[in-house]
Amino acid sequence: GQQVMQIPQYQHVQEGEDFTTYCNSSTTLSNIQWYKQRPGGHPVFLIQLVKSGEVKKQKRLTFQFGEAKKNSSLHITATQTTDVGTYFCFMTTDSWGKFQFGAGTQVVVTP
Amino acid sequence: NAGVTQTPKFQVLKTGQSMTLQCAQDMNHNSMYWYRQDPGMGLRLIYYSASEGTTDKGEVPNGYNVSRLNKREFSLRLESAAPSQTSVYFCASSELGSTWGNQPQHFGDGTRLSIL
Repeated sequence: GQQVMQIPQYQHVQEGEDFTTYCNSSTTLSNIQWYKQRPGGHPVFLIQLVKSGEVKKQKRLTFQFGEAKKNSSLHITATQTTDVGTYFCFMTTDSWGKFQFGAGTQVVVTP
Repeated sequence: NAGVTQTPKFQVLKTGQSMTLQCAQDMNHNSMYWYRQDPGMGLRLIYYSASEGTTDKGEVPNGYNVSRLNKREFSLRLESAAPSQTSVYFCASSELGSTWGNQPQHFGDGTRLSIL
């Protein structure tokens, strides 16, 4: 079956620092989505990546899809307290019905 | 425009009791999903419905049943609640894309369920 790993599980960041979270799959993906969940809230869609090597940016967030379409990263520049939350990747394989959320990276930001 | 609405928001049950979690969306989406979220385990898919009239098992379907009542509504039923089903339950909906998972999912606010 599809194996999905999201690392790190927990990230403590000083305000102003950069950090990166990664999602890795054992199988080739058709696309990947990223979601953010604020404490006590529900997941909110951020972005979708489809093409091999694709890079998309949203202000201080940079999303990348690996060349082999087996991994993805989310990089946040100059972290702010508003970045607090858990970031999830959602991976879909080429087979129908094969999709899964990663376990998430919980981000804590200290001023 | 309410999006995805879940009821109730909170519920406490005793072991063995039954209950139904309700979910409705007003975005005219074809696909709907039920997830459970436990600490450190992300979101695990319980059941999903690609379109009205169809339902399929997800990763953790045991102990649950679902009904896709119409295009708007997708309910989740616990027939005999167990403490292991204590969790936060999220309903989501999306368009039905050309392949699975290539449309954004819109989530409700969740139901926090405790089983004693």
